[in-house]
Amino acid sequence: QVQLQESGPGLVKPSETLSLMCTVSGGTISYHYWSWIRQPPGKGLEWIGYVLYNGNTNYNPSLRSRVTMSVDTSKNQFSLNLTSVTAADTAVYYCARHYGPVGYFNPWGQGTLVTVPS
Amino acid sequence: QSALTQPPSASGSPGQSVTISCTGTSDDIGGYNYVSWYQQHPGKAPKLLIFEVTKRASGVPDRFSGSKSGNTASLTVSGLQADDEGDYYCNSFAGTNNFVVFGGGTKLTVL
Repeated sequence: QVQLQESGPGLVKPSETLSLMCTVSGGTISYHYWSWIRQPPGKGLEWIGYVLYNGNTNYNPSLRSRVTMSVDTSKNQFSLNLTSVTAADTAVYYCARHYGPVGYFNPWGQGTLVTVPS
Repeated sequence: QSALTQPPSASGSPGQSVTISCTGTSDDIGGYNYVSWYQQHPGKAPKLLIFEVTKRASGVPDRFSGSKSGNTASLTVSGLQADDEGDYYCNSFAGTNNFVVFGGGTKLTVL
């Protein structure tokens, strides 16, 4: 059974880069799409983008200028970089397998809270 | 791309049925049969309930069902149970640039 686990700093300073990793276990990262989704405290979900196992990416237009995703198939990991962060980027960040590009998200990681102080 | 529109709250008594709507446009819900629904309990990650409008995810009870009419998708929870309390989110493929959009979420309360 595929499981995902996010890792990375819980606190990022304003204007710096948020970097998170998602480790996939119980299955291969190959032949799948992998997405990042975030949820500000008390608010709804926002899709950030996906990376395909071959490195192809697609990002939410609202974040495209600041987002980079990559994949390391040898480590069964994929990553998220978000530059020039502000307090508005404070959120729980989830990684998830994306039955895409048109489909649904399953399973999800447990999520990791990243705080950007104002 | 705008978020899909969900009612902020819904409620029902144990054993009753409740339906949560998710309204989009012809560019997302109305244009594709790629609507999914998720349940989220406090402090937990979302859990997939329904995908491709009507298909139940593995292990999801048949009390949960999905449908779509025009630009609006719906999730119906029958035989409400206390554990059904939580937040429910819809999402849809939105076509342009392979974009994905979520609804704002509905808080379901079991009275």
